[in-house]
Amino acid sequence: QVQLQESGPGLVKPSQTLSLTCTVSGASISSGGYYWSWIRQPAGKGLEWIGRIFTSGSTNYNPSLKSRVTISRDTSKNQFSLKLSSVTAADTAVYYCARYRAATSFDYWGQGTLVTVSS
Amino acid sequence: DIQMTQSPSTLSASVGDRVTITCRASQSVSDWLAWYQQKPGKAPNLLIYKASTLESGVPSRFSGSGSGTEFTLTINSLQPDDFATYYCQQYNAYSATFGQGTKVEIK
Repeated sequence: QVQLQESGPGLVKPSQTLSLTCTVSGASISSGGYYWSWIRQPAGKGLEWIGRIFTSGSTNYNPSLKSRVTISRDTSKNQFSLKLSSVTAADTAVYYCARYRAATSFDYWGQGTLVTVSS
Repeated sequence: DIQMTQSPSTLSASVGDRVTITCRASQSVSDWLAWYQQKPGKAPNLLIYKASTLESGVPSRFSGSGSGTEFTLTINSLQPDDFATYYCQQYNAYSATFGQGTKVEIK
């Protein structure tokens, strides 16, 4: 059974960098046919795709966030990570990591972690 | 960027009803369209991908159709467990975009 689990600080100060890690079990992030993504959802609002990392290590980002986002991976730990710099209150959201199955879409999701940006 | 627009934003229905949700893309996405169900406090759950293919384990009362820029999600004989928010999502080689969501409420 594939499982994803987000971890990281629940509170980040404005202008600082938000850092989250997704630990994957039941599947290898190095396996072909899958991409590993971050998605966020502000309270009471819709879903926003942040970006993804491919098995090759290459990345795609949402153009609206591209200048502030870095997604990386640690294959030895079967983890991938999100860094979002210069955060503001508008970045307060539940952050999900998810697996994208090629030619289908996001088939497995983490439970989500709330990150609040506040001083 | 490809924008996805869902209608209606809210839908009131009764158990047993047939409901239809529409999703429109700002440009053609071919059939690279997925539908998700989300319940409060939970992650979204994939229902349909490639516009009309039912994800394994999803009840057959859910169906999807469409291609290009217009898509529909239909729920036949709405069940109590189906009251939730539904999202469409396009995906391609470069990005993914979600619709704003449709909340299906009890009438």
